[in-house]
Amino acid sequence: AQSVTQLDSQVPVFEEAPVELRCNYSSSVSVYLFWYVQYPNQGLQLLLKYLSGSTLVKGINGFEAEFNKSQTSFHLRKPSVHISDTAEYFCAVSTGGGNKLTFGTGTQLKVEL
Amino acid sequence: GAVVSQHPSWVICKSGTSVKIECRSLDFQATTMFWYRQFPKQSLMLMATSNEGSKATYEQGVEKDKFLINHASLTLSTLTVTSAHPEDSSFYICSARGWDRRDEKLFFGSGTQLSVL
Repeated sequence: AQSVTQLDSQVPVFEEAPVELRCNYSSSVSVYLFWYVQYPNQGLQLLLKYLSGSTLVKGINGFEAEFNKSQTSFHLRKPSVHISDTAEYFCAVSTGGGNKLTFGTGTQLKVEL
Repeated sequence: GAVVSQHPSWVICKSGTSVKIECRSLDFQATTMFWYRQFPKQSLMLMATSNEGSKATYEQGVEKDKFLINHASLTLSTLTVTSAHPEDSSFYICSARGWDRRDEKLFFGSGTQLSVL
């Protein structure tokens, strides 16, 4: 079985500042990794995913994440955040190509002026 | 892009009644849909996987007789919470597997907040 840990439940940051949202996972087999974003009153949207290949993955809205196998991490980063990035971010892991996902508890990113 | 519509967005019901939640894929056919539940400050927990035309596969610990799932067509899956009790109060989210620009993805509904009095 796999699990996902998002240690930060809330991350406040000022607009145009960089941000990193942390995600660690545990699994006894190879995994696929995902970041989803949920804006208020909307469904989850895929930000980016790592299936194989380059460990640095670029997603939508200027976000990127780096898969670090030795540290079992998949932290999400953005060099300069915008007010519109305020949302809940979920890290997820799958061992089956993205169908059955195990989610973390989510990180609320709050961007302030 | 592909859209999944989930209805209702919130519902309040009395203890002992049944509640039905619908999940529709609006512009694609979803052979597989997933139902999740999320308690406050906790992660989304997969409840069951439903494939069109066949019985749903439930995760361990999820009561199949309490959470009835029907996936009668390629665009509609329903979750019925039977004889709801206050402990069933939660946020329920569906997702559907489909194709978007040659890439297979999971598309999520916006969720249903169920409050059982």
